[in-house]
Amino acid sequence: EVQLVESGGGLVQPGGSLRLSCAASGFTFSSYEMNWVRQAPGKGLEWVSYISSSGSTIYYADSVKGRFTISRDNAKNSLYLQMNSLRAEDTAVYYCAKVRGSHMDVWGKGTTVTVSS
Amino acid sequence: EIVLTQSPATLSLSPGERATLSCRASQSVSSYLAWYQQKPGQAPRLLIYDASNRATGIPARFSGSGSGTDFTLTISSLEPEDFAVYYCQQRSNWLFTFGPGTKVDIK
Repeated sequence: EVQLVESGGGLVQPGGSLRLSCAASGFTFSSYEMNWVRQAPGKGLEWVSYISSSGSTIYYADSVKGRFTISRDNAKNSLYLQMNSLRAEDTAVYYCAKVRGSHMDVWGKGTTVTVSS
Repeated sequence: EIVLTQSPATLSLSPGERATLSCRASQSVSSYLAWYQQKPGQAPRLLIYDASNRATGIPARFSGSGSGTDFTLTISSLEPEDFAVYYCQQRSNWLFTFGPGTKVDIK
């Protein structure tokens, strides 16, 4: 079964850091581009970051550029999102998603990040 | 950046009725448009990719059409489980954008 499982969310104070992980199974992880997408409470979906299959190409939304770092370990079938200098507006459910062409065909259930004092 | 606009924001229909959802792009995305369904507390689920291709396991009552800047998701006869929020999405090079969503609720 193709599956993505996120972890690492939690409550953090403004200015703090968190590292999210996404464990992939059921497909050849190293062959696929991956995204992080987030959803603030009661809001729509927002793309956060992209990484190519090899990890050599990386992009970020302007809202997180300079604060978040995406990475992957193909040997461990894992995707990561290091989040620094967190703000209240980063509060959201964070999803990892497998990219296939121009769309995302597999999504994890998400992990919740709450930034609050 | 390509901006996606969805209409209507909310669609109130009864089970068995036909639902027609619209997504408009600020510039051409060719046929590279996807539709997702999201229910409360759940992750988005891919319904349609490349404008008109149903994803694996998606019932035939869901269909997509359009190209360029104007796209439509049609649900031919609403089932109780279809009441949800629907998002369109496009990819332009490395940038992925979503529309604001259309909520289909029970009339």
